[in-house]
Amino acid sequence: EIVLTQSPGTLSLSPGERVTLSCRASQSVDSNYLAWYQQKPGQAPRLLIYGTSSRASGVPDRFSGSGSGTDFTLTIGRVEPEDFAVYHCQRYGGSPMYTFGQGTKLEMK
Amino acid sequence: EVQLEESGGGLVKPGGSLRLSCAASGFTFSRYSINWIRQVPGKGLEWVASIDSSGRYIYYRDSVKGRFTISRDNAKTSVYLQMSSLRAEDTAVYYCARRELDTGYGYFDYWGHGILVTVSS
Repeated sequence: EIVLTQSPGTLSLSPGERVTLSCRASQSVDSNYLAWYQQKPGQAPRLLIYGTSSRASGVPDRFSGSGSGTDFTLTIGRVEPEDFAVYHCQRYGGSPMYTFGQGTKLEMK
Repeated sequence: EVQLEESGGGLVKPGGSLRLSCAASGFTFSRYSINWIRQVPGKGLEWVASIDSSGRYIYYRDSVKGRFTISRDNAKTSVYLQMSSLRAEDTAVYYCARRELDTGYGYFDYWGHGILVTVSS
């Protein structure tokens, strides 16, 4: 079973800062099958990035994704107040069919 | 507008049963795989079950196999999750989510708002 480990668990920063979130897989992941979601309190997850680096419809261009093999990242160029949330990475394939990381919480300093 | 709406959650005793429903609208339901994904409050997301567009291909995570059954009714544009032999560790918010169709990359492009299932005596 492929495990996704996100780090750090919590990040504290100020609006306007640049941030990079990490998602590390226990085995190599096809880059087509890596996605990122944003989740705000009391809400369902929202798709941000699919296929490692493609932004979903309506997602601002300050969000970008990159990576390959076992190491993937989500970068927010300049954090806006509405970006403080939990971010989840997710992979498809193998067993179980879909796996999520444990999430990284972005909080305002 | 694509919408997914879960219903049927609530409090159930260990060993009991519950049936969740996911009502869909705003898209051609019969073309899409629908999935159930759960989240213990304050924790990460966990995929539970998947059903393809026709209902022919069904998959479960190991911990729910033999206890949960996913099904769909394309005429009613709904997906169901029949949960039995429930355990305390099944307590979570349950989301239904649509798997995207265009790329085959296995991500979820629309989610319902979620429904809480609490298993407790």
